[in-house]
Amino acid sequence: SQTIHQWPATLVQPVGSPLSLECTVEGTSNPNLYWYRQAAGRGLQLLFYSVGIGQISSEVPQNLSASRPQDRQFILSSKKLLLSDSGFYLCAWGDRGTTNEKLFFGSGTQLSVL
Amino acid sequence: QKEVEQDPGPLSVPEGAIVSLNCTYSNSAFQYFMWYRQYSRKGPELLMYTYSSGNKEDGRFTAQVDKSSKYISLFIRDSQPSDSATYLCAMRKGAQKLVFGQGTRLTINP
Repeated sequence: SQTIHQWPATLVQPVGSPLSLECTVEGTSNPNLYWYRQAAGRGLQLLFYSVGIGQISSEVPQNLSASRPQDRQFILSSKKLLLSDSGFYLCAWGDRGTTNEKLFFGSGTQLSVL
Repeated sequence: QKEVEQDPGPLSVPEGAIVSLNCTYSNSAFQYFMWYRQYSRKGPELLMYTYSSGNKEDGRFTAQVDKSSKYISLFIRDSQPSDSATYLCAMRKGAQKLVFGQGTRLTINP
């Protein structure tokens, strides 16, 4: 069965510090990969998605970047965090081989920038 | 106007009640509809998905789609305290990106 791992679960970082969040998927090949951010009481905001190694699409211009160095690895990064980067970050994978792609989410990372 | 509208609640009901959660949408081209359940500080988990209009049942959960009214619903029968969570609707057209509702926070009181 497929599983998605996301870490860390909680992160507190000072303003101006770098960020690296990692996500890995097991049990599937060539998945679509996604990074979402969820502000408190708000819906899901799509940040980045990837259909393959090295292929990244950005949905919202911001202080973040994403990379996909391996088929089942997706990394969210920032060189200098801003207060506004605080939020709940979610990685998800989708099976592009199906007509109705369903997304499966990781457990999330709560990021607090102070 | 948002493509998908969902009342954020909060919604509080007694245990055993029937719960009705709803979303409306503006894009008549949406074809695929899903419901996710999200417990506090956890990632959303896929609860139900459907393609066509009509009802789909899975245990205590029923998903209903009315494409003519651009309205989808999730019904929970015999609600339990463990059903307390935020419920997000999501939908898409073809291979386009999934569009999520804001989520409705539901509390089932024992």
